[in-house]
Amino acid sequence: GEDVEQSLFLSVREGDSSVINCTYTDSSSTYLYWYKQEPGAGLQLLTYIFSNMDMKQDQRLTVLLNKKDKHLSLRIADTQTGDSAIYFCAELPYGQNFVFGPGTRLSVLP
Amino acid sequence: DAMVIQNPRYQVTQFGKPVTLSCSQTLNHNVMYWYQQKSSQAPKLLFHYYDKDFNNEADTPDNFQSRRPNTSFCFLDIRSPGLGDAAMYLCATSRGGQGVSQPQHFGDGTRLSIL
Repeated sequence: GEDVEQSLFLSVREGDSSVINCTYTDSSSTYLYWYKQEPGAGLQLLTYIFSNMDMKQDQRLTVLLNKKDKHLSLRIADTQTGDSAIYFCAELPYGQNFVFGPGTRLSVLP
Repeated sequence: DAMVIQNPRYQVTQFGKPVTLSCSQTLNHNVMYWYQQKSSQAPKLLFHYYDKDFNNEADTPDNFQSRRPNTSFCFLDIRSPGLGDAAMYLCATSRGGQGVSQPQHFGDGTRLSIL
């Protein structure tokens, strides 16, 4: 079945770049998504990328997609303490519902 | 701003006492979802409505039911909550349906505690 994998933890220093990685399995997914969840809150849509693109940039966020390897990454430039959260990668296989990864907990150290 | 609103943010109920969680949306999306999220885990889809059509996930316990009286509102009913039902419950909406790759928009969730 479909499976989305992410590393569970990442720590970076304030001001450094963060790179959160994700692998997915279903090549029929048209879009791939990144969501951010702060403590006690719902999921906030951060960005998404169409499967025929290999890169999308949105201010401090850069999404890279390697469709051949089914690998997705989210880079956050100049990481701030407010970026501390759990980041979920998600795919939407054709004809099915969202499949979320387990989430990567990003800790930003001063 | 158009949004997804969940009430209450925190709900405490007694073991076995029925509880209802509510979700409303101003996005005019035709699909509404209910997820259960336990600590440090990904959200788990319980069911969703595509317009008025109800779609239950195969492993959703019978204890969980839902109602959607109109486009804007959706309710999650837990008939006899057990201790294992303590979790964050997330409502989400999207435009379209299965096979349409529209992002889901989430509310802030209701954290349910069982005494």
